[in-house]
Amino acid sequence: ETGVTQTPRHLVMGMTNKKSLKCEQHLGHNAMYWYKQSAKKPLELMFVYSLEERVENNSVPSRFSPECPNSSHLFLHLHTLQPEDSALYLCASSQDIGNAGEAFFGQGTRLTVV
Amino acid sequence: AQKITQTQPGMFVQEKEAVTLDCTYDTSDPSYGLFWYKQPSSGEMIFLIYQGSYDQQNATEGRYSLNFQKARKSANLVISASQLGDSAMYFCAMREPRGTNAGKSTFGDGTTLTVKP
Repeated sequence: ETGVTQTPRHLVMGMTNKKSLKCEQHLGHNAMYWYKQSAKKPLELMFVYSLEERVENNSVPSRFSPECPNSSHLFLHLHTLQPEDSALYLCASSQDIGNAGEAFFGQGTRLTVV
Repeated sequence: AQKITQTQPGMFVQEKEAVTLDCTYDTSDPSYGLFWYKQPSSGEMIFLIYQGSYDQQNATEGRYSLNFQKARKSANLVISASQLGDSAMYFCAMREPRGTNAGKSTFGDGTTLTVKP
C-alpha cells in the first residue's frame, strides 16, 4: 500500500463513451502526476499538477482532460478515445515538484478501448 | 534533455544470488534524483530506492543498493540474495527538481528480472 489509490482498477470502454479515472492520496503531497504506460513503451508523463495547478501538459490529446479539485484528488476524464489509448494509466504523487524525492504510485487503471 | 538507458531487456538470476541491473543517465542539470521502481505483473509501480545527485554515500534499502557512479552517469541497482518474489520489471528513473524540467520524470525502458528456483 503506497498511500495512492486509483479507481477503477480495470476499465473497458467504447470509443463513444465518457469515463473518468480517479486518483486519491492522503500523504500530504503537493504534486500529482498522470502517466501512461503502453505495452513495450517507457512510461510517458501526461500531466503534472502542483498545488492544484497544472504545470505540465506533454502534448496530450484533448480527449484526455485532467482535473485536480484539491491537493488530494486527481481525475482524468476520458472521451472519444481511440483503441491505441488502451494502456495502463498510473497516478503518482510526490512532496512537491521542486523536490527530487521519490514519487509514490498507485496501482494503476488498466484501460481497454474497444 | 533527460535520458535514461537500461540496456538489459531481460535478466535471469538464480535464487539467493545477487544481481545487478544497469542504468545510465544523461542530464545537464547538476541537481537530480535517481530512482528505481519495481513493477510486478499486477501493474503497481513500487518505489525501491532513491539517490540524490549530491548524496555522498550510495543508497541502500534492505536488500537493495544503488551503485552510484556520478562521473560515469550510472546508477546500477544491486539486489542481494534474490528471492522468487523479486521477479518483475524494474525501471530506472530520474527527476529534476527545478528549472524547465521541474517535476518531470524520465523512465528507462525497463529490465525484466526472472529469478530461477
